[in-house]
Amino acid sequence: ILNVEQSPQSLHVQEGDSTNFTCSFPSSNFYALHWYRWETAKSPEALFVMTLNGDEKKKGRISATLNTKEGYSYLYIKGSQPEDSATYLCAFEGGSYIPTFGRGTSLIVHP
Amino acid sequence: ETGVTQTPRHLVMGMTNKKSLKCEQHLGHNAMYWYKQSAKKPLELMFVYSLEERVENNSVPSRFSPECPNSSHLFLHLHTLQPEDSALYLCASSQDLGGAEQYFGPGTRLTVT
Repeated sequence: ILNVEQSPQSLHVQEGDSTNFTCSFPSSNFYALHWYRWETAKSPEALFVMTLNGDEKKKGRISATLNTKEGYSYLYIKGSQPEDSATYLCAFEGGSYIPTFGRGTSLIVHP
Repeated sequence: ETGVTQTPRHLVMGMTNKKSLKCEQHLGHNAMYWYKQSAKKPLELMFVYSLEERVENNSVPSRFSPECPNSSHLFLHLHTLQPEDSALYLCASSQDLGGAEQYFGPGTRLTVT
């Protein structure tokens, strides 16, 4: 059983705050790391797929970094807005190409 | 709209019923997935199909039976379920296996009484 851990479990921030969360995963047999956003009453939506150590990806105010040697990825949100409120999931893909999801970080941005 | 549809959206069934969940993707993808989301648990992968061949079965009880008749359709046949099988069942598709982002359907909320 692969261990994919996300922290914190939940986070409350004020509008305008910047925030970040962590996904840790096995450092061996790495293939890809995914980030998804899951808003209430909607489907999970892909944010990033990262495959190379040192990768940094950005989409608007959201960015992510990847360290495959130590087995972690950070997701950053700059200037959080209420519409950023969602659960953020990471998923690790090893050599089998089958994703294993973490439990997610629930973010609530207060106006 | 993600290009992945699921029906029904809600289902209530008794433990002796037989029902099926349907998933359809309009994206031309080659891989399709069934996931289970129970309260306070991570998304659990149940089945994966690539080019209509099953490639993963995560020790799922035989009361869940998948079917992939073509690359656009995926079914999950349910029979003699237990109350603990009540959950949100999500379907997803991706272009291929390996490093491809998944597109999720809206899910079927299943309640077993």
